[in-house]
Amino acid sequence: NAGVTQTPKFRVLKTGQSMTLLCAQDMNHEYMYWYRQDPGMGLRLIHYSVGEGTTAKGEVPDGYNVSRLKKQNFLLGLESAAPSQTSVYFCASSHDRTGGTEAFFGQGTRLTVV
Amino acid sequence: SQKIEQNSEALNIQEGKTATLTCNYTNYSPAYLQWYRQDPGRGPVFLLLIRENEKEKRKERLKVTFDTTLKQSLFHITASQPADSATYLCAMAHNAGNMLTFGGGTRLMVKP
Repeated sequence: NAGVTQTPKFRVLKTGQSMTLLCAQDMNHEYMYWYRQDPGMGLRLIHYSVGEGTTAKGEVPDGYNVSRLKKQNFLLGLESAAPSQTSVYFCASSHDRTGGTEAFFGQGTRLTVV
Repeated sequence: SQKIEQNSEALNIQEGKTATLTCNYTNYSPAYLQWYRQDPGRGPVFLLLIRENEKEKRKERLKVTFDTTLKQSLFHITASQPADSATYLCAMAHNAGNMLTFGGGTRLMVKP
């Protein structure tokens, strides 16, 4: 009964380093999302995917790339980390677009860029 | 630009009382509104969804109202318990095909 699993849970990066966050879901959902959460700003959508092999930009896509090679996995990449990318990142999945259906979230990844 | 506003100050109430959280929106006409609960260090968990043509929705001790005239949703927890202490997020979408936009959340503290 895993649901949505994110790896890693915590990470510290130096400015300019790269990393990949992994999200896996076992609910056979078509839709997957990456959000970032900053104090007082709520969850903001970075990128999303409506199915295997598809990706689309969300509200704050700059500095991030994503890939959805397998239906159950959605990867978020930071090619050259900046201090402004210090945040908590959440992956989510849903059966349909989130407007009319519930989203299932992972436990989050706390990323600090120094 | 569209805005979803939740009170950023924590709401402190006594156990057994009804907690009422507010979500206001401007420059927006959502057809769907959702509420999520988020505990420290965890991801949000879905609670309720209400459509624009539904004035009120209930689930156990939870009640959500959606007033499109006032551009406001109220989230009520009756007979509150310390275990209800968490941050509550509201989220909206223009229609079922759109992605959710989240408010900043309100922290609820229920004291025994």
